[in-house]
Amino acid sequence: EIVLTQSPATLSLSPGERATLSCRASQSVGSYLAWYQQKPGQAPRPLIYDASSRATGIPARFSGSGSGTDFTLTISSLEPEDFAIYYCQQRSIWPLTFGGGTKVEIK
Amino acid sequence: QVHLVESGGGVVQAGRSLRLSCAASGLIFSAAGMHWVRQAPGRGLEWVVFISNSGSDIYYADSVKGRFTISRDNSKNTLSLQMDSLRAEDTALYYCAKDKGVRFIDYWGQGTLVTVSS
Repeated sequence: EIVLTQSPATLSLSPGERATLSCRASQSVGSYLAWYQQKPGQAPRPLIYDASSRATGIPARFSGSGSGTDFTLTISSLEPEDFAIYYCQQRSIWPLTFGGGTKVEIK
Repeated sequence: QVHLVESGGGVVQAGRSLRLSCAASGLIFSAAGMHWVRQAPGRGLEWVVFISNSGSDIYYADSVKGRFTISRDNSKNTLSLQMDSLRAEDTALYYCAKDKGVRFIDYWGQGTLVTVSS
């Protein structure tokens, strides 16, 4: 099973600041990594597929990068609605696995 | 507009069974692979199981293999999850989710809560 480790666990930032979230895989997943956003009481929302492709309707301030074992989700300038928990997910091999999440909170 | 509505959750004693359902609309259900993903209270996401559009390919997480069974009825646009031998650690919100076609998820339901009491 591929283990995805997300860091930091919590990121405390102010609106307008840049957020950089990390996801590290225990073995290479190529570019087969996705990012999801989850707000309290809501289902996850897809943000990024295949490491860097934005899902439908996702603003350009969200960007993904990386390949192999190291991936980054960047939010260029935080909007109030971006404070949430972010999860990465790999589809390289079964079983599919998620990272433990990074909470982006208001500083 | 894709709509996934889960049902069947509830409180059940450890060792007993429960069957979850997911009603799908707004998509060509027979063309879509489907997943169940769960989230224990206050915890992260855990993928549970996938079924291909035809039902011919099924993959389970080790944590549920041999206890959970996924199935689908393409004539009724319905996905099901039969959960047997339930354990306290199966307590979670269970999401029905549509596969994007490449083992990523593009639509999620709102979830149904399963609580297993010991």
